[in-house]
Amino acid sequence: GQSLEQPSEVTAVEGAIVQINCTYQTSGFYGLSWYQQHDGGAPTFLSYNALDGLEETGRFSSFLSRSDSYGYLLLQELQMKDSASYFCAVRDWTAGNKLTFGGGTRVLVKP
Amino acid sequence: EAQVTQNPRYLITVTGKKLTVTCSQNMNHEYMSWYRQDPGLGLRQIYYSMNVEVTDKGDVPEGYKVSRKEKRNFPLILESPSPNQTSLYFCASSLRGAYGYTFGSGTRLTVV
Repeated sequence: GQSLEQPSEVTAVEGAIVQINCTYQTSGFYGLSWYQQHDGGAPTFLSYNALDGLEETGRFSSFLSRSDSYGYLLLQELQMKDSASYFCAVRDWTAGNKLTFGGGTRVLVKP
Repeated sequence: EAQVTQNPRYLITVTGKKLTVTCSQNMNHEYMSWYRQDPGLGLRQIYYSMNVEVTDKGDVPEGYKVSRKEKRNFPLILESPSPNQTSLYFCASSLRGAYGYTFGSGTRLTVV
């Protein structure tokens, strides 16, 4: 089966940097992705890592270490609009197209 | 505009009354999925589909049915809804399946 662990909540101030860690257990790892969800909204896709290393997309970066079964999402220059829940998700190729999400990390940005 | 459209947005129904939540995407995506979201439990996959007439169970398929007769549509059917199916439901689609899912706006279902 698959399981993902991420912190439940993180609080930071505007302009700060936040790192959201995600550790996973899966039989046939096929990539780690990240989604953002604002309260009352739908999840939106942020980034994807299939190989080790850092992927940068504007203020957000995502990192993967397959040997450690670990990844993180880095939010830089935090803005109030970044207050949201962030989910990591893995696809397991041994389980067809099943995409499993972590429980989500609620990020609260304070002025 | 590229999008996933779910209907209805809100639904209150009674136990045992069959219902269907529709989902349609206009991006020619092959992969489609249904998720339910409950407080503290994150997003849990109900069913997914890799193409027309190809569907498979996710983590919580009990009490649900799906069909994929056309590429764009992936309805979720609750034959006999029960109160434990009260939840927020999302339909999503993707071109590649591993990532890049586009989600619908969600359907908040209450079963009384």
